[in-house]
This record gives sequence, C-alpha cells and structure tokens, in this order.
Amino acid sequence: EVQLVESGGGVIRPGGSLRLSCAASGFKFDDYGMSWVRQVPGKGLEWVSGINSNGARTGYTDSVKGRFTISRDSAKNSLYLEMNSLRTEDTALYYCASALGDSSGSYFNAMDVWGQGTTVIVSS
Amino acid sequence: AIQLTQSPSSLSTSVGDTVTITCRASQGISSTLAWYQQRPGKAPNLLIYDASTLESGVPSRFSGSGSGTDFTLTISSLQPEDSATYYCQHYASYPLFGHGTRLEIK
Repeated sequence: EVQLVESGGGVIRPGGSLRLSCAASGFKFDDYGMSWVRQVPGKGLEWVSGINSNGARTGYTDSVKGRFTISRDSAKNSLYLEMNSLRTEDTALYYCASALGDSSGSYFNAMDVWGQGTTVIVSS
Repeated sequence: AIQLTQSPSSLSTSVGDTVTITCRASQGISSTLAWYQQRPGKAPNLLIYDASTLESGVPSRFSGSGSGTDFTLTISSLQPEDSATYYCQHYASYPLFGHGTRLEIK
C-alpha cells in the first residue's frame, strides 16, 4: 500500500524549532519529488516547500524562506521539514505529499499521494 | 508570481445537478493545473491533472478543461458524497493553490 505518514508536530513557543518527518512506503521514494503543504483549520491549502527526487533542488514559499529547510533521506525513505524561528502564523496542519512521477523527478507537479498530516501549534 | 482566482467561493446545489467551478491564472500556465477534492477532516484527493487528465480511480462524472489562463472543473450527476471543498493548483512554477470552492449538496 502506498502510504505517507507524518510525525513530529506539537505545541511550541514562538521562536522555537520543530522537525517534521514523513515516512514513505509502498513506492520507490527516490523517483518522486515531494512537498510539504499546510492548512490552517477552516482555511485553504498552502504549499510550503518542495524537493526534487535527488534532493538537488528545493523551493520555499516566501513566508518560510530562511526559516524552514526541507530535506530527504533515501536510505530511510523519509522526508523532513526543519522549522526554526517559528511564528504563531505557522500554526497549521502540515501534510507531506508526493508529486506525480515524471522523468525529471520534479516537485513542480500535481500531488497524488498525501499523508494525514501532523499538527503544529505555535503559541506562548 | 502567478496567482489563481477560483470561483465561486461556495455553492449549493442538488443531487443529480451539474456544476462548474472555474480557476483563472494571472498569466498563461499552459496545462499545468490540477484539481483536488477535500472532504472535512481528510487530506486532499487528486481528481484531475494536466488540466484534463482524470486521475486513476476518480469517477468519470468529474472532468476538467482549459489551458493558458482559464480552467474549469465540471461535476455532473452530483452525488451526496461530492459535498466537499475543491481546490485548483498550478505547477508551472512553485506550486500554488486556489482559495477553494465549498460545494454543498442539498
């Protein structure tokens, strides 16, 4: 079964750090670009960050540039999001998602597999 | 940056009806557009990619069309389980989602 399982969310004070993880199974992780997408409860979807299949290219939405770092570990079939200098506006449910497969392994694509998300609450 | 304008923001309709949701890009994006369905408390589910390609396992009553700047998602013969929020997303550059359309089935 193709599956993505996120973990690492929690309650953190403003200025703090968290590391989210996403464990992939049931597909060849190394072949696919990956993204993190977040959603404030009751609000819309926001793409946060993406990484291509070999980890060489990454991208971030403007509001997290310089604070968040995306990475992947092919040996562990895992995706990560290191979040520093957290702000209250980073509070959201964070999903990891895999991009449709193509020859480039880019994350510039539709996302066909999603996890169930992990919740991050930034509050004093 | 490319912006997406999705409309309407919400609509209410009946079982068996046909609805159309539109998504307009601020500049041409060829066919690099996807549509998702999100039911309450669930992760998004890919319906359509490359503007008009139906994702495997998605009922054929869902269809997508358009290219360039104007795109539509059409749902025909609406079923109660189609009650959800629908999002467009482009991937011509950094991915971006539309603001969503909440569909209520009366």
